[in-house]
Amino acid sequence: DTGVSQDPRHKITKRGQNVTFRCDPISEHNRLYWYRQTLGQGPEFLTYFQNEAQLEKSRLLSDRFSAERPKGSFSTLEIQRTEQGDSAMYLCASSLVTYNEQFFGPGTRLTVL
Amino acid sequence: SQQGEEDPQALSIQEGENATMNCSYKTSINNLQWYRQNSGRGLVHLILIRSNEREKHSGRLRVTLDTSKKSSSLLITASRAADTASYFCATVGNSGYALNFGKGTSLLVTP
Repeated sequence: DTGVSQDPRHKITKRGQNVTFRCDPISEHNRLYWYRQTLGQGPEFLTYFQNEAQLEKSRLLSDRFSAERPKGSFSTLEIQRTEQGDSAMYLCASSLVTYNEQFFGPGTRLTVL
Repeated sequence: SQQGEEDPQALSIQEGENATMNCSYKTSINNLQWYRQNSGRGLVHLILIRSNEREKHSGRLRVTLDTSKKSSSLLITASRAADTASYFCATVGNSGYALNFGKGTSLLVTP
């Protein structure tokens, strides 16, 4: 399967713990995006990478959130000191060019107890 | 904040009927895209319509765009049970990267 993959698919953590998610985009895609989706809502944009450069961060991405894409391939999203409000589905997407369709991974569902 | 608003929030039809979903948005766009989401296949791109286009077809899908009214519609003809899913419109602004999604329309197609 050459689609976007995300790991883990589910994560349950206690409030205050740190969590890290991984996204592997489609191999030839140099653009990578993170979104967050809560129940009953559409995905909300978090951040965007072109190759290894993080070019945009949403106001939703508080100081507790950090994303990296060290070699322009896979990306990680870390949440420090998790809060119950962080419970959501975290989606990763990739694309070959901007303005066009994005290909989404299956998401990581985070539950903060 | 969400850019688009889909209408209706939920739609229930029988197989073979047509389903129409509407989307309104607030700011100028480069293009508008429709995505489908279900538990089995996640979020999947359906169709893209650019700001200088008025109508586009793909299989059983027909999308219209009215930039003067900042609205779009998605028509699914001859619906099937497998079309049961949530449908989202997403706009792309001049930045070209962030998809701004609406809250979605939940479609149920019963046999």
